[in-house]
Amino acid sequence: AQKVTQAQTEISVVEKEDVTLDCVYETRDTTYYLFWYKQPPSGELVFLIRRNSFDEQNEISGRYSWNFQKSTSSFNFTITASQVVDSAVYFCALSEGVGDYKLSFGAGTTVTVRA
Amino acid sequence: KAGVTQTPRYLIKTRGQQVTLSCSPISGHRSVSWYQQTPGQGLQFLFEYFSETQRNKGNFPGRFSGRQFSNSRSEMNVSTLELGDSALYLCASVGEGQSGVEQFFGPGTRLTVL
Repeated sequence: AQKVTQAQTEISVVEKEDVTLDCVYETRDTTYYLFWYKQPPSGELVFLIRRNSFDEQNEISGRYSWNFQKSTSSFNFTITASQVVDSAVYFCALSEGVGDYKLSFGAGTTVTVRA
Repeated sequence: KAGVTQTPRYLIKTRGQQVTLSCSPISGHRSVSWYQQTPGQGLQFLFEYFSETQRNKGNFPGRFSGRQFSNSRSEMNVSTLELGDSALYLCASVGEGQSGVEQFFGPGTRLTVL
């Protein structure tokens, strides 16, 4: 069964529009960690954020913000005032348990920001 | 602090050959994980090494193997290459970041099997 679902395959927006990427996860563990990574055309996965299951506080980092809701098993990511440099594939990932570093990735969402 | 390095960056092999990829984690990190990324299957976990021991393994055939050295550098080996092994192989080094444990990825090795 898919542990991380990113329902949006592709999103295309015009610069300065906001973009929200959905992520729904599935786990039976009470301790788990959620991640978002950005993969630009160069291929390297760039770490954006890590959130543990006990911290439901939303987070904002510059133009990026994350909304974690355990009640709906979702960890959504919003880019405010998008820029062309935000064009990339974004992955949501899950690791379960304490000390288990294995990541289960979603299929990714390709974001294209047009000038 | 230097990032995660992977060598080589690009590799072309033919079916039946074997290949070895290398990953040097961030200094001080003891855990290295390997992932395979393909257009069809996405990002899939291969295995994780911690202090020279394989601690976790994904669902891949025995042709895929790895090891970790005392300096935490890791290698993965794929024997009897198949066309379907063409992929981007990513290595991750696990360590402490500003928000707790983070996984830092290297630039990847792009393997093409002809």
